Amino acid sequence: DAGVTQSPTHLIKTRGQQVTLRCSPISGHKSVSWYQQVLGQGPQFIFQYYEKEERGRGNFPDRFSARQFPNYSSELNVNALLLGDSALYLCASSLGFPGLAVTYEQYFGPGTRLTVT
Amino acid sequence: QQQVKQSPQSLIVQKGGISIINCAYENTAFDYFPWYQQFPGKGPALLIAIRPDVSEKKEGRFTISFNKSAKQFSLHIMDSQPGDSATYFCAASNSNYQLIWGAGTKLIIKP
Repeated sequence: DAGVTQSPTHLIKTRGQQVTLRCSPISGHKSVSWYQQVLGQGPQFIFQYYEKEERGRGNFPDRFSARQFPNYSSELNVNALLLGDSALYLCASSLGFPGLAVTYEQYFGPGTRLTVT
Repeated sequence: QQQVKQSPQSLIVQKGGISIINCAYENTAFDYFPWYQQFPGKGPALLIAIRPDVSEKKEGRFTISFNKSAKQFSLHIMDSQPGDSATYFCAASNSNYQLIWGAGTKLIIKP
C-alpha cells in the first residue's frame, strides 16, 4: 500500500508569489492534517480536514488556506509568500476524526520543501 | 500550557548502549503521546505511542515510560545502533488530533 504522497518535492518561489501544495492520504484514511516544519524545529500544526470540512486551525495567518476533495486528497495554499514561509510542509493522514471508533495515529508524507527568495 | 518540553537537545550514545529522551507536558487534557523518528530530508515516521492509562509500552528495542502524576514521558532505545541516528520528536494531542511537538533531540550513535 502506498503511503502519504506529497507534491512537489521541492519548490522555489519569490516573495509575494502564491504556492499550492498537494497531498494524497493513505487509502482509506479520511482525515488530513498540514504542518509546517522550520529547519531545526518541531512541526507546527496548520490545518486539519475531515470529510472535506475544516476541523482545526493552528495559529497561522489568513494567507494560509486549505481544502479537501471528495477523494480525501488535500491542497494547501499560501498567498503573498514571505521569507519566513520557507520550511518543510508536511501532510499527515489518519483514519478519522475523534469521537469515532478510530485511532489517533497520524502518518506523514515526505514533505514539500518550500524556499522563498 | 500547550507546550511539550523535550530534552536533551542532542545526545551521543555508544553502539549497544541505551538512549533516553525525556519529555514533559502541562496540559492534562492530552491523552495521546507519540514518538516520531525523522531522518534528514524525510517526513517524521511514527515509532511508538502511548495512552495515559498505561505506564509503559514496549515495541522491539523501543520503550515508552509514562508518568501521569509527573506529566512526563520518555523514550528508551535499547541496544542502540548506528542506524538509529536521527532526530526524535515527542508529541502530544488531545481529542482534537492536533499534535503539539517537542523541539526534537538529535541522536548520534557512535560505532
